[in-house]
Amino acid sequence: EVQLVQSGAEVKKPGESLKISCKASGYSFTSYWIGWVRQMPGKGLEWMGIIHPGDSDTTYSPSFQGQVTISADKSISTAYLQWRSLKASDTAMYYCARLVGATMYNWFDPWGQGTQVTVSS
Amino acid sequence: AIQLTQSPSSLSASVGDRVTITCRTSQGISSALAWYQQKPGKAPNLLIYDASSLESGVPSRFSGSGSGTDFTLTISSLQPEDFATYYCQQFNNYPLTFGGGTKVEIK
Repeated sequence: EVQLVQSGAEVKKPGESLKISCKASGYSFTSYWIGWVRQMPGKGLEWMGIIHPGDSDTTYSPSFQGQVTISADKSISTAYLQWRSLKASDTAMYYCARLVGATMYNWFDPWGQGTQVTVSS
Repeated sequence: AIQLTQSPSSLSASVGDRVTITCRTSQGISSALAWYQQKPGKAPNLLIYDASSLESGVPSRFSGSGSGTDFTLTISSLQPEDFATYYCQQFNNYPLTFGGGTKVEIK
């Protein structure tokens, strides 16, 4: 079974750094793109960026370029989303999801269960 | 970026009703559209891909249609477990974009 399991909820202060994870299982991790999607409280889905774990090729949404870093460690089949300096406006649920198929031009399936990030002083 | 406009943003319907949700894109995307269902506190779940292909395991009361700029998700007979928020997503161009969502509520 293809599965993505995300790290647990985080509560951080503004200015702190954070790295959340998404562990993949049930398929060849290096063969499929993995993306990250933000959902702010009560709002819709926003695509943040994707990475190909095979060669670490990464593409970001212009809205998130420079704000976050996406990475992957193929030795442990895990993708990451990282912030250097969190803001209150980063408070949201973050989902990882695998792109179906070998190319970037595909839909997401499956999704991780989500990681809630709360940034508050 | 391609904008996706879903309508309505919310609707109230009864069990057994036929429900139609529309997704309009700001430029043509051929059939590169997916539909997801999201229930409160849960991750989105894939329903339809390539505009009209039903994901394995998804009930046949769900169907998708359209190409170019106008797309439709139809639930032929609404069931209690279908009350949720539905999103469209285009994958023809980067950045990938989602519609704003349609919340389906119980009348």
